[in-house]
Amino acid sequence: DQQVKQNSPSLSVQEGRISILNCDYTNSMFDYFLWYKKYPAEGPTFLISISSIKDKNEDGRFTVFLNKSAKHLSLHIVPSQPGDSAVYFCAARYGGGGADGLTFGKGTHLIIQP
Amino acid sequence: EAGVAQSPRYKIIEKRQSVAFWCNPISGHATLYWYQQILGQGPKLLIQFQNNGVVDDSQLPKDRFSAERLKGVDSTLKIQPAKLEDSAVYLCASSPGTRETQYFGPGTRLLVL
Repeated sequence: DQQVKQNSPSLSVQEGRISILNCDYTNSMFDYFLWYKKYPAEGPTFLISISSIKDKNEDGRFTVFLNKSAKHLSLHIVPSQPGDSAVYFCAARYGGGGADGLTFGKGTHLIIQP
Repeated sequence: EAGVAQSPRYKIIEKRQSVAFWCNPISGHATLYWYQQILGQGPKLLIQFQNNGVVDDSQLPKDRFSAERLKGVDSTLKIQPAKLEDSAVYLCASSPGTRETQYFGPGTRLLVL
């Protein structure tokens, strides 16, 4: 049973426009959410995160929004650049305790068109 | 600062053979994770170490997979015997401590024939 879902396997956006990547989760015990970016033949790299006590976190061109009641988060990239073309993974972490392995979605392949 | 190092980068073996992967975390990072990423899926946690102790191995198939982190630094993940469904990328990650950002290595791509 997938606890973190990314329902769009791919997304194509024109350079300069806004990219919106979506993620849904089912487990209300998750208290921290992260986005990772992955290029081919490389490991995932951390992009941005948000705690469940917040509804928005911004870092440069990247903003993550969290809607706890809907168990939904989204990543906005404005403006989109060619180097943003990659696979984006949404991940979640349980609250409390020492075990903090991440639960990942399947990823969304973002393609930025010139 | 050097990142997480993994070797080998690629490995091809036949089913029922054994294989081992090595990970060197970022210097000073106390927490180390092994993830398995099957094609088309997101990474799935196999095991988490805090220094040289196991914090979580609930998703590790212990009949064939084993991992150790001697001296709380490098770690090895072993599969014995390998099955076709073990074909995946094995990612190692480290963090300064629990509940901190995890930094991933480039992964080892395993193909079991």
